[in-house]
Amino acid sequence: GNSVTQMEGPVTLSEEAFLTINCTYTATGYPSLFWYVQYPGEGLQLLLKATKADDKGSNKGFEATYRKETTSFHLEKGSVQVSDSAVYFCALSDLNGGFKTIFGAGTRLFVKA
Amino acid sequence: DVKVTQSSRYLVKRTGEKVFLECVQDMDHENMFWYRQDPGLGLRLIYFSYDVKMKEKGDIPEGYSVSREKKERFSLILESASTNQTSMYLCASITPVGRVGTGELFFGEGSRLTVL
Repeated sequence: GNSVTQMEGPVTLSEEAFLTINCTYTATGYPSLFWYVQYPGEGLQLLLKATKADDKGSNKGFEATYRKETTSFHLEKGSVQVSDSAVYFCALSDLNGGFKTIFGAGTRLFVKA
Repeated sequence: DVKVTQSSRYLVKRTGEKVFLECVQDMDHENMFWYRQDPGLGLRLIYFSYDVKMKEKGDIPEGYSVSREKKERFSLILESASTNQTSMYLCASITPVGRVGTGELFFGEGSRLTVL
């Protein structure tokens, strides 16, 4: 079945550092890929998405490219801020699976001033 | 603004009690979901519903049931709460692919349940 694997955290960075959170997936068919973010005390919200191979999703300075050949969707940001401290979840949604979304375990990011 | 509302942010219950968690969405979505969130395990799907009165088991349905009597409302029921059901519960609805959407989930703020 479908699955998502993302790097374990926590990840601790200083402000303005470069961020990469790795995500790989296993899926039959052609899923949509997502990054969701959960700020402290809140539910999850969509950060960015990509619906087909080679698509790049971007939002708030974050980017991720849908790589079918490596089955990856790594999250990157060139310069993190303290306000980016949160838990980040990689996810896939399969149309053929009844729109069920499968999540990775989440990666907690701490950004120090 | 789209909204998914969960009835209770924090609940404390005793072992054996019946627990209702309610969720309402205002986006006219057909598909709704209940997830459980635990540290190191991410989100795991308990149940989902693709229409009124329709439901399907997710990956961890044991100990739970659901009710969908109206399109906008999806309830999660713990018939007899146990301590291993202490967790954060998240409700979500989805914009299906092909219907002005790409499968994005909209989440409520979560209900943190503690079973003593």
